[in-house]
Amino acid sequence: DAGITQSPRHKVTETGTPVTLRCHQTENHRYMYWYRQDPGHGLRLIHYSYGVKDTDKGEVSDGYSVSRSKTEDFLLTLESATSSQTSVYFCAISGSGQGNSPLHFGNGTRLTVT
Amino acid sequence: AQSVSQHNHHVILSEAASLELGCNYSYGGTVNLFWYVQYPGQHLQLLLKYFSGDPLVKGIKGFEAEFIKSKFSFNLRKPSVQWSDTAEYFCAVSSFNQGGKLIFGQGTELSVKP
Repeated sequence: DAGITQSPRHKVTETGTPVTLRCHQTENHRYMYWYRQDPGHGLRLIHYSYGVKDTDKGEVSDGYSVSRSKTEDFLLTLESATSSQTSVYFCAISGSGQGNSPLHFGNGTRLTVT
Repeated sequence: AQSVSQHNHHVILSEAASLELGCNYSYGGTVNLFWYVQYPGQHLQLLLKYFSGDPLVKGIKGFEAEFIKSKFSFNLRKPSVQWSDTAEYFCAVSSFNQGGKLIFGQGTELSVKP
């Protein structure tokens, strides 16, 4: 398995609080991604990064921000958590941005917003 | 915009039955196609991928998929399923030079009865 660690693995938080999820990789890959998984929706891209300090929005970016200050770390922040952000969050990495390289996924973070 | 559609939301089969899961995508250009599997409680793992060449691709665990360009389809098949194939299956597509982003279908849950 690719060296991807997500933390925390589980988190319960209250509505309105900020939450930061961390993705750490040991593969030195340039591309990193945050997806959320919800029943009936598959995985949807939140944000992605194509290098240190280089990020872009995905299809469901509202309410989320990201930062990448080092190659190995990609942080996802929920600025003010809402119940609609209860989900399983997956980080993924890729060695190529050309689309011809599969993504490798972390084990996910299960977030519950009460 | 790209989209991926998986028509079967939940498939129930008995062991040794044959499997075919449908996947259609909408995109006019060159695409790369993937099938991922997610076993209960686990992260997504790559089953197989198609970039170019032979439209019939073989993956792990006896799975194969056929790319039919004229139908914009990439259906997943397995001649004889096992109880251990119980999982959720996701079709995904990426295109050239789009940052390696994958667009996922909604997923198909496969239940195999022993």
